[in-house]
Amino acid sequence: AQKITQTQPGMFVQEKEAVTLDCTYDTSDPSYGLFWYKQPSSGEMIFLIYQGSYDQQNATEGRYSLNFQKARKSANLVISASQLGDSAMYFCAMREGRHNFNKFYFGSGTKLNVKP
Amino acid sequence: DAGVTQSPTHLIKTRGQQVTLRCSPKSGHDTVSWYQQALGQGPQFIFQYYEEEERQRGNFPDRFSGHQFPNYSSELNVNALLLGDSALYLCASSFGTGVGKNIQYFGAGTRLSVL
Repeated sequence: AQKITQTQPGMFVQEKEAVTLDCTYDTSDPSYGLFWYKQPSSGEMIFLIYQGSYDQQNATEGRYSLNFQKARKSANLVISASQLGDSAMYFCAMREGRHNFNKFYFGSGTKLNVKP
Repeated sequence: DAGVTQSPTHLIKTRGQQVTLRCSPKSGHDTVSWYQQALGQGPQFIFQYYEEEERQRGNFPDRFSGHQFPNYSSELNVNALLLGDSALYLCASSFGTGVGKNIQYFGAGTRLSVL
């Protein structure tokens, strides 16, 4: 079974509008971390936001927020007030377990296009 | 503060050859992980190095090997290259003893083409 599932291969959003990118995950470990990364065409993965499995509140980082629904095993990324520079691939990732040495799993990504 | 640097940026090899990719971690980081990203897919975890030892390994054959040096930099070696090894190879660094929000920072990658 896939550890991380991103069901939206591509998304379009109008500039200045909000957009939600979907992510579901699969783990039986009670301790895990969820991450979102942005990958522009240059190739470098840019960290956006983190949510720990024991965090009580949804994570927020500027225009990025993570809609964490633990019972549904979903960790959707919400980007508010989209900008043209937000056009990129977005990857959801999970680290099972709490420690840095645990394996890291990525989804297949969502390509976001922001229209002017 | 230098981020994660990888070299070379592009590489072209032929089937059966061997290749070495290099990575210098972000300042203050001591753990290096390597990923393979095929075109149109998400990165796949290859292995992770800490204190010059391989700590975790993904589902990759023994043709993929690595090394970490005392200055925390790392190399990824791939022997007997196959056409399917063509991909973007990403290096990520982090602080090894962290738990919880231990973010991996990525380099821009090495694009390997096998002909």
